[in-house]
Amino acid sequence: TQLLEQSPQFLSIQEGENLTVYCNSSSVFSSLQWYRQEPGEGPVLLVTVVTGGEVKKLKRLTFQFGDARKDSSLHITAAQPGDTGLYLCAGYNQGGKLIFGQGTELSVKP
Amino acid sequence: GAVVSQHPSWVICKSGTSVKIECRSLDFQATTMFWYRQFPKQSLMLMATSNEGSKATYEQGVEKDKFLINHASLTLSTLTVTSAHPEDSSFYICSARRQGPGNTIYFGEGSWLTVV
Repeated sequence: TQLLEQSPQFLSIQEGENLTVYCNSSSVFSSLQWYRQEPGEGPVLLVTVVTGGEVKKLKRLTFQFGDARKDSSLHITAAQPGDTGLYLCAGYNQGGKLIFGQGTELSVKP
Repeated sequence: GAVVSQHPSWVICKSGTSVKIECRSLDFQATTMFWYRQFPKQSLMLMATSNEGSKATYEQGVEKDKFLINHASLTLSTLTVTSAHPEDSSFYICSARRQGPGNTIYFGEGSWLTVV
């Protein structure tokens, strides 16, 4: 069974701090995705990483795909209260279904 | 704007009754849709895959007689929670796969179900 392990599950920081969220698996994924979800809404796709070692930047967010395509990380620089939300990594399992990690609940306090 | 729409956004029902949630792809045809369940502050758990014109395939541990899925057209899948109980209260989210380059998946806005 392909599983995605996310850490940490909860993160509470002050505005301006940096943070990193990790997504790990013992299985190889052809690609991994990162989503952000706000309460009462569906998840919104932030990025898809496809190539091992790939780094993608989205303003203050930096996404990295591990060389072996088994892990990924999300780094946020100078976090702002607007970054508060649930961050989810996801990947397609062998059955072609999109599965999610446990999620990281981020709270950025002003 | 949203390309996948869910209805209703929230619903309250009494224990023992059934409630139907609709998932529509607004500007594309989706032969495959997915239903997820999410408890507060937890991740999305895949419940079932809805296939147009055929039976849904359920994930392990999901009762198919409890959660009835119908994918009657290429733009509509429905999830019916039968004989609902308070423990069925949850956020239900659907997604639809848009065929084409990348086979992009789009998520609905979710539906809050509260069973009292």
